[in-house]
Amino acid sequence: QKEVEQNSGPLSVPEGAIASLNCTYSDRVSQSFFWYRQYSGKSPELIMSIYSNGDKEDGRFTAQLNKASQYVSLLIRDSQPSDSATYLCAVRSGGYQKVTFGTGTKLQVIP
Amino acid sequence: DGGITQSPKYLFRKEGQNVTLSCEQNLNHDAMYWYRQDPGQGLRLIYYSQIVNDFQKGDIAEGYSVSREKKESFPLTVTSAQKNPTAFYLCAIPILQEYEQYFGPGTRLTVT
Repeated sequence: QKEVEQNSGPLSVPEGAIASLNCTYSDRVSQSFFWYRQYSGKSPELIMSIYSNGDKEDGRFTAQLNKASQYVSLLIRDSQPSDSATYLCAVRSGGYQKVTFGTGTKLQVIP
Repeated sequence: DGGITQSPKYLFRKEGQNVTLSCEQNLNHDAMYWYRQDPGQGLRLIYYSQIVNDFQKGDIAEGYSVSREKKESFPLTVTSAQKNPTAFYLCAIPILQEYEQYFGPGTRLTVT
């Protein structure tokens, strides 16, 4: 079983719609959760971090965490063509510096 | 990109040759990491170093070696023992309290 799982996509949404990206993780003691955006040929860049259950909003982005269900999601409101990229979910387990990455979901925003 | 530089951006080598990838940082961080990215497999940890003169194997260290003689430098050598060296190699430092990874621009290595 993969430690961090994401649907590879592609997820296609029309411009202006809400894009919903999902991630599940297997280690129940995980305590830090991250979303990265990676454009083709570029390195990943951090867009959101979330540590406690509930929602965290930053501009058009909302991260949602449900530790009981071992589930973390990223919502992108008012999706723009410039949001087209691969989104990586990453998880850090408590007391350890290692961060485990999912394989990423490719998002396509159609103008 | 910011305070992490990786060179070169593209690197081509013949099979059987060792190759060293550079990672330099000017952010004065103690910890540095090396990841490998393959299509459809996400990022996998090769080696990490928490302090000068110390480093630990990650999940896929076989066929790789590192050194950490200076705080600002963490070079990765891909040896001829690495069976599938062609990949995108990323150097990272943990920038925040929860070890959020801040990545360099990466080096794309092609071995033929």
